[in-house]
Amino acid sequence: DGGITQSPKYLFRKEGQNVTLSCEQNLNHDAMYWYRQDPGQGLRLIYYSQIVNDFQKGDIAEGYSVSREKKESFPLTVTSAQKNPTAFYLCASSKQGANTEAFFGQGTRLTVV
Amino acid sequence: GENVEQHPSTLSVQEGDSAVIKCTYSDSASNYFPWYKQELGKGPQLIIDIRSNVGEKKDQRIAVTLNKTAKHFSLHITETQPEDSAVYFCAASEAANDYKLSFGAGTTVTVRA
Repeated sequence: DGGITQSPKYLFRKEGQNVTLSCEQNLNHDAMYWYRQDPGQGLRLIYYSQIVNDFQKGDIAEGYSVSREKKESFPLTVTSAQKNPTAFYLCASSKQGANTEAFFGQGTRLTVV
Repeated sequence: GENVEQHPSTLSVQEGDSAVIKCTYSDSASNYFPWYKQELGKGPQLIIDIRSNVGEKKDQRIAVTLNKTAKHFSLHITETQPEDSAVYFCAASEAANDYKLSFGAGTTVTVRA
């Protein structure tokens, strides 16, 4: 089945540590995205990638980093510079830009302990 | 950039009744308006979308209307069922960036049996 897979589902991190969230898609989509979701708020864009080896900052990129070395993969690293990292993180992909349907993964809930 | 406001934040309806969620947007050049449904612990899933050259679109019990002059669009769910209980997000594309969607804060819909 085609889809987008995020792992792990739950992640705990100590303060001061970097952590990497995995996102893999087998939909052959060029575009991939990372969103952050906090209670009572809509999804906010962290980073997006239009194509392999390219990525752009979204609205809340500070404290995060990404890579896009393969079309299928778009990992997100939450660094120690992110002041409030506890959140639900969603990865998505779309065939082209935001004017086409976005397919979301199941999400990763990150908790800083 | 685009600003999307969504109302109400919570909505409780009796099974069989209709539910209506409204969103307003700020960028008159936006041309794509998707609606996503998010069930507990899962990623959002597209349920219907509309483009700026269309005023209304239906898919079984779900319909979306768009008023470009007033810059608002609405989701209508008829004959609600318990499985319609979820969080619904509206979104609007950003004319200045083909890869950005701005999301509303979400509406938690509860269908009472």
